[in-house]
Amino acid sequence: QKEVEQNSGPLSVPEGAIASLNCTYSDRVSQSFFWYRQYSGKSPELIMSIYSNGDKEDGRFTAQLNKASQYVSLLIRDSQPSDSATYLCAVNIERGFKTIFGAGTRLFVKA
Amino acid sequence: DTGVSQDPRHKITKRGQNVTFRCDPISEHNRLYWYRQTLGQGPEFLTYFQNEAQLEKSRLLSDRFSAERPKGSFSTLEIQRTEQGDSAMYLCASSSPGTSYEQYFGPGTRLTVT
Repeated sequence: QKEVEQNSGPLSVPEGAIASLNCTYSDRVSQSFFWYRQYSGKSPELIMSIYSNGDKEDGRFTAQLNKASQYVSLLIRDSQPSDSATYLCAVNIERGFKTIFGAGTRLFVKA
Repeated sequence: DTGVSQDPRHKITKRGQNVTFRCDPISEHNRLYWYRQTLGQGPEFLTYFQNEAQLEKSRLLSDRFSAERPKGSFSTLEIQRTEQGDSAMYLCASSSPGTSYEQYFGPGTRLTVT
Protein backbone atom coordinates (compact mmCIF):
# COMPACT_ATOMS: atom_id res chain seq x y z
CA GLN A 1 0.00 0.00 0.00
CA LYS A 2 1.33 3.41 -0.97
CA GLU A 3 1.73 5.87 1.88
CA VAL A 4 -0.25 8.59 0.09
CA GLU A 5 -2.73 7.64 -2.61
CA GLN A 6 -4.52 9.82 -5.10
CA ASN A 7 -6.64 9.06 -8.13
CA SER A 8 -4.38 9.92 -11.06
CA GLY A 9 -7.29 11.18 -13.15
CA PRO A 10 -7.62 12.97 -15.36
CA LEU A 11 -10.59 14.63 -13.71
CA SER A 12 -12.50 16.76 -16.17
CA VAL A 13 -15.05 19.34 -15.03
CA PRO A 14 -16.83 22.16 -16.86
CA GLU A 15 -15.99 25.76 -16.09
CA GLY A 16 -17.89 27.00 -13.06
CA ALA A 17 -18.37 23.53 -11.55
CA ILE A 18 -16.95 22.16 -8.29
CA ALA A 19 -13.87 19.97 -8.62
CA SER A 20 -13.38 17.40 -5.87
CA LEU A 21 -9.94 15.89 -5.32
CA ASN A 22 -9.33 13.09 -2.85
CA CYS A 23 -6.36 11.65 -1.02
CA THR A 24 -5.87 8.83 1.48
CA TYR A 25 -2.83 8.20 3.65
CA SER A 26 -1.59 5.24 5.61
CA ASP A 27 0.36 6.68 8.56
CA ARG A 28 -1.99 7.24 11.50
CA VAL A 29 0.41 9.59 13.31
CA SER A 30 0.53 12.10 10.46
CA GLN A 31 -0.19 15.60 11.72
CA SER A 32 0.13 17.98 8.78
CA PHE A 33 -1.51 17.83 5.39
CA PHE A 34 -0.98 19.95 2.32
CA TRP A 35 -2.30 20.49 -1.17
CA TYR A 36 0.00 21.72 -3.90
CA ARG A 37 -0.78 22.75 -7.44
CA GLN A 38 1.72 21.99 -10.17
CA TYR A 39 1.51 23.31 -13.70
CA SER A 40 3.27 21.36 -16.42
CA GLY A 41 7.01 22.03 -16.34
CA LYS A 42 6.78 24.08 -13.14
CA SER A 43 7.49 23.34 -9.50
CA PRO A 44 4.76 22.67 -6.92
CA GLU A 45 2.97 25.67 -5.42
CA LEU A 46 1.40 25.45 -1.96
CA ILE A 47 -2.32 26.24 -2.01
CA MET A 48 -3.69 24.82 1.26
CA SER A 49 -2.54 23.38 4.56
CA ILE A 50 -4.73 21.68 7.16
CA TYR A 51 -3.87 20.29 10.56
CA SER A 52 -7.11 19.43 12.38
CA ASN A 53 -10.29 17.57 11.52
CA GLY A 54 -12.93 19.48 9.64
CA ASP A 55 -12.98 22.03 6.86
CA LYS A 56 -10.66 24.91 6.08
CA GLU A 57 -11.66 27.46 3.47
CA ASP A 58 -9.48 29.88 1.53
CA GLY A 59 -11.17 31.69 -1.31
CA ARG A 60 -12.45 29.15 -3.83
CA PHE A 61 -10.56 26.33 -2.12
CA THR A 62 -11.77 24.16 0.77
CA ALA A 63 -9.64 21.46 2.35
CA GLN A 64 -11.33 18.74 4.38
CA LEU A 65 -9.58 16.41 6.82
CA ASN A 66 -10.87 13.26 8.50
CA LYS A 67 -8.09 11.66 10.53
CA ALA A 68 -10.24 8.73 11.65
CA SER A 69 -10.75 7.75 8.02
CA GLN A 70 -7.23 8.89 7.04
CA TYR A 71 -8.71 10.98 4.29
CA VAL A 72 -8.08 14.50 3.06
CA SER A 73 -9.81 16.25 0.18
CA LEU A 74 -9.71 19.50 -1.75
CA LEU A 75 -12.75 21.20 -3.23
CA ILE A 76 -12.35 23.88 -5.87
CA ARG A 77 -15.48 25.97 -6.36
CA ASP A 78 -16.27 27.90 -9.54
CA SER A 79 -13.51 26.05 -11.39
CA GLN A 80 -11.66 28.07 -14.02
CA PRO A 81 -9.59 26.90 -16.99
CA SER A 82 -6.56 28.34 -15.18
CA ASP A 83 -7.14 25.71 -12.45
CA SER A 84 -6.14 23.02 -14.95
CA ALA A 85 -3.05 21.47 -13.37
CA THR A 86 -1.88 18.50 -11.35
CA TYR A 87 -2.86 18.64 -7.68
CA LEU A 88 -0.51 16.97 -5.25
CA CYS A 89 -1.51 15.79 -1.79
CA ALA A 90 1.33 15.81 0.76
CA VAL A 91 1.48 14.38 4.26
CA ASN A 92 4.04 15.16 6.94
CA ILE A 93 5.44 12.23 8.83
CA GLU A 94 7.40 12.75 12.05
CA ARG A 95 7.10 16.46 12.71
CA GLY A 96 8.33 17.79 9.40
CA PHE A 97 11.30 15.48 8.97
CA LYS A 98 9.77 13.71 6.04
CA THR A 99 6.97 14.69 3.70
CA ILE A 100 5.39 12.12 1.42
CA PHE A 101 3.66 13.22 -1.75
CA GLY A 102 1.01 11.42 -3.71
CA ALA A 103 1.45 10.98 -7.44
CA GLY A 104 -1.06 13.74 -8.10
CA THR A 105 -4.44 14.11 -9.79
CA ARG A 106 -4.60 15.85 -13.15
CA LEU A 107 -7.49 18.28 -13.38
CA PHE A 108 -8.88 19.67 -16.63
CA VAL A 109 -11.39 22.49 -16.52
CA LYS A 110 -13.23 22.83 -19.83
CA ALA A 111 -14.22 26.31 -20.95
CA ASP B 1 10.80 38.60 -0.03
CA THR B 2 12.65 36.47 -2.54
CA GLY B 3 11.63 32.87 -2.93
CA VAL B 4 13.69 29.72 -3.04
CA SER B 5 16.28 29.81 -5.82
CA GLN B 6 18.10 26.93 -7.46
CA ASP B 7 21.08 26.83 -9.76
CA PRO B 8 21.50 25.71 -12.45
CA ARG B 9 18.02 25.43 -13.90
CA HIS B 10 19.10 22.86 -16.43
CA LYS B 11 22.04 20.49 -16.53
CA ILE B 12 23.00 18.04 -19.23
CA THR B 13 25.81 15.67 -18.37
CA LYS B 14 27.31 12.47 -19.62
CA ARG B 15 26.95 9.23 -17.72
CA GLY B 16 29.69 8.83 -15.16
CA GLN B 17 30.23 12.54 -14.54
CA ASN B 18 29.64 14.26 -11.20
CA VAL B 19 27.15 17.09 -10.87
CA THR B 20 26.39 19.56 -8.09
CA PHE B 21 23.26 21.61 -7.60
CA ARG B 22 22.76 24.59 -5.33
CA CYS B 23 19.69 25.73 -3.40
CA ASP B 24 19.22 29.05 -1.63
CA PRO B 25 16.22 28.91 0.70
CA ILE B 26 13.96 31.75 1.73
CA SER B 27 15.80 33.83 4.29
CA GLU B 28 14.91 32.96 7.91
CA HIS B 29 13.83 29.46 6.82
CA ASN B 30 15.81 26.99 8.89
CA ARG B 31 14.35 23.87 7.28
CA LEU B 32 15.48 22.71 3.86
CA TYR B 33 14.36 19.71 1.83
CA TRP B 34 15.56 18.05 -1.37
CA TYR B 35 13.25 16.06 -3.61
CA ARG B 36 13.48 14.29 -6.93
CA GLN B 37 10.57 14.22 -9.34
CA THR B 38 10.12 12.16 -12.48
CA LEU B 39 7.39 12.48 -15.06
CA GLY B 40 3.97 11.52 -13.79
CA GLN B 41 5.10 11.13 -10.19
CA GLY B 42 4.96 13.30 -7.13
CA PRO B 43 8.15 14.66 -5.57
CA GLU B 44 10.16 11.92 -3.88
CA PHE B 45 11.79 12.87 -0.58
CA LEU B 46 15.60 12.72 -0.61
CA THR B 47 16.85 14.51 2.47
CA TYR B 48 16.04 17.08 5.15
CA PHE B 49 18.14 19.68 6.96
CA GLN B 50 17.30 21.65 10.04
CA ASN B 51 19.83 24.46 10.15
CA GLU B 52 23.11 22.78 9.23
CA ALA B 53 22.16 19.33 10.54
CA GLN B 54 21.06 16.64 8.12
CA LEU B 55 18.34 14.94 10.15
CA GLU B 56 16.82 12.59 7.62
CA LYS B 57 18.00 10.85 4.49
CA SER B 58 15.88 8.61 2.32
CA ARG B 59 16.79 4.95 2.26
CA LEU B 60 16.25 5.18 -1.46
CA LEU B 61 19.26 7.43 -1.77
CA SER B 62 22.33 5.60 -2.87
CA ASP B 63 25.84 6.42 -1.68
CA ARG B 64 26.35 8.37 -4.89
CA PHE B 65 24.18 11.16 -3.52
CA SER B 66 25.37 13.58 -0.88
CA ALA B 67 23.99 16.84 0.43
CA GLU B 68 25.42 19.56 2.61
CA ARG B 69 24.26 22.73 4.26
CA PRO B 70 27.47 23.95 5.86
CA LYS B 71 26.35 27.20 7.49
CA GLY B 72 22.65 26.57 7.71
CA SER B 73 21.96 28.78 4.72
CA PHE B 74 22.37 27.47 1.16
CA SER B 75 22.60 23.77 0.42
CA THR B 76 24.28 21.67 -2.25
CA LEU B 77 23.29 18.29 -3.64
CA GLU B 78 25.99 16.29 -5.38
CA ILE B 79 25.49 13.23 -7.52
CA GLN B 80 28.61 11.23 -8.26
CA ARG B 81 29.04 8.90 -11.22
CA THR B 82 25.71 9.85 -12.74
CA GLU B 83 23.52 7.22 -14.34
CA GLN B 84 20.75 7.61 -16.89
CA GLY B 85 18.24 6.76 -14.16
CA ASP B 86 19.27 9.93 -12.34
CA SER B 87 17.60 12.03 -15.03
CA ALA B 88 14.85 13.91 -13.22
CA MET B 89 13.82 17.27 -11.80
CA TYR B 90 15.60 17.99 -8.53
CA LEU B 91 13.54 20.22 -6.30
CA CYS B 92 14.51 22.14 -3.21
CA ALA B 93 12.01 23.44 -0.68
CA SER B 94 12.30 25.39 2.54
CA SER B 95 10.07 26.06 5.51
CA SER B 96 10.14 28.39 8.48
CA PRO B 97 10.72 27.54 12.14
CA GLY B 98 7.57 26.63 14.01
CA THR B 99 4.85 24.10 13.61
CA SER B 100 3.34 24.83 10.23
CA TYR B 101 5.82 22.80 8.16
CA GLU B 102 4.57 24.51 5.02
CA GLN B 103 7.18 24.03 2.32
CA TYR B 104 7.90 26.45 -0.50
CA PHE B 105 9.58 25.09 -3.58
CA GLY B 106 12.23 26.50 -5.82
CA PRO B 107 11.99 26.27 -9.62
CA GLY B 108 13.98 23.05 -9.72
CA THR B 109 17.03 21.83 -11.60
CA ARG B 110 16.30 19.55 -14.54
CA LEU B 111 19.05 16.98 -14.95
CA THR B 112 19.50 15.03 -18.15
CA VAL B 113 22.09 12.26 -18.18
CA THR B 114 23.10 11.14 -21.67
